[in-house]
Amino acid sequence: AQKITQTQPGMFVQEKEAVTLDCTYDTSDPSYGLFWYKQPSSGEMIFLIYQGSYDQQNATEGRYSLNFQKARKSANLVISASQLGDSAMYFCAMLPSGNTPLVFGKGTRLSVIA
Amino acid sequence: GAVVSQHPSRVICKSGTSVKIECRSLDFQATTMFWYRQFPKKSLMLMATSNEGSKATYEQGVEKDKFLINHASLTLSTLTVTSAHPEDSSFYICSALPGLTYNEQFFGPGTRLTVL
Repeated sequence: AQKITQTQPGMFVQEKEAVTLDCTYDTSDPSYGLFWYKQPSSGEMIFLIYQGSYDQQNATEGRYSLNFQKARKSANLVISASQLGDSAMYFCAMLPSGNTPLVFGKGTRLSVIA
Repeated sequence: GAVVSQHPSRVICKSGTSVKIECRSLDFQATTMFWYRQFPKKSLMLMATSNEGSKATYEQGVEKDKFLINHASLTLSTLTVTSAHPEDSSFYICSALPGLTYNEQFFGPGTRLTVL
């Protein structure tokens, strides 16, 4: 069965500091994709970063980087230089294969403190 | 990136009425669309998978007759909440998949339904 686990229901970080949001996954598929989405209070799901299971290097997108450890089945999101606007819910998700729906974790609420 | 729209963004209706929510892919064709439901402070819960030209596949526990899904074209899927009740109040989000070889789903902005 496919499963995403986010163990941190809530996190606080000081502005300008870095923060790591944890995500572990479980799948038996040899090929899969891992995603992180940001959901502000408006509700819109904002795509942040993608990591393919066969990608050799960790994905980076601006201040976002994904710490992909395949053997540990973890895909933690690192946000550097946190900004007040980063306060939101963050969801880790997995796309097992093909035209299947994303499997979402329960989310982590990040609060950035000035 | 690809754009998915949802209409309406917010709807308030009386108990017993039906509400239709549209999900459109604006600049690509979506063979598959997904409908999710999200309760406050919770994760997205998949309701159904909508494939163009065929019947939707519903997740366990989701009533087919309650939540009617129609994917009549490659750019439009609709979710109709029939005889809505207060417990149907929720945030409904659709996502669209451009094709089998593409690895990203594009989300609509969501529809907030409030049933009085």
